[in-house]
Amino acid sequence: AQSVSQHNHHVILSEAASLELGCNYSYGGTVNLFWYVQYPGQHLQLLLKYFSGDPLVKGIKGFEAEFIKSKFSFNLRKPSVQWSDTAEYFCAVLIAGNMLTFGGGTRLMVKP
Amino acid sequence: DAGVIQSPRHEVTEMGQEVTLRCKPISGHNSLFWYRQTMMRGLELLIYFNNNVPIDDSGMPEDRFSAKMPNASFSTLKIQPSEPRDSAVYFCASSLARRLHNEQFFGPGTRLTVL
Repeated sequence: AQSVSQHNHHVILSEAASLELGCNYSYGGTVNLFWYVQYPGQHLQLLLKYFSGDPLVKGIKGFEAEFIKSKFSFNLRKPSVQWSDTAEYFCAVLIAGNMLTFGGGTRLMVKP
Repeated sequence: DAGVIQSPRHEVTEMGQEVTLRCKPISGHNSLFWYRQTMMRGLELLIYFNNNVPIDDSGMPEDRFSAKMPNASFSTLKIQPSEPRDSAVYFCASSLARRLHNEQFFGPGTRLTVL
């Protein structure tokens, strides 16, 4: 069965630091990839998605992610984080049909 | 568009009581998903429907859990009888299934506390 791994469970950064959250999946075929964000006490919101084309995708709030097929990775990046980026981030993979497989999530805390 | 609507937003109940969570998907979407989120287990898919038909309920933890989708605009997740370990946030999500381009939109969740 396919799986999604997020290596960092907790990340603490200071404001203006650069962010990279890792995401790896285990499936050799065509995939759609997503990053969702969940702000404290809120529901999941889509940050960005990759379906095809340019492997570097840009999302909302200055986030971007790069799909590297050879590494089965879809890491999330932001050059300069803000306190308001404090949230939990979930990587998800859609392989076939409608079912998303989520990673375990990464809790990001940004210190002001 | 109001997005995915869930009710109630918060539910506190006593062990043994029946709990019913409700979801209204985005109009026009044909797939609906129920997730449970806990600190220990993260985000788990419980069941999903396609065109009102349950497709995969392998994530439903036990027979105490049941879900229905009587029409395209309404779904319920019922727990009977409820237990303290059912305390979690339950999210409903919907999508428009178009081959692989299936972005899911999440509702605000129902925070369930079973005492």
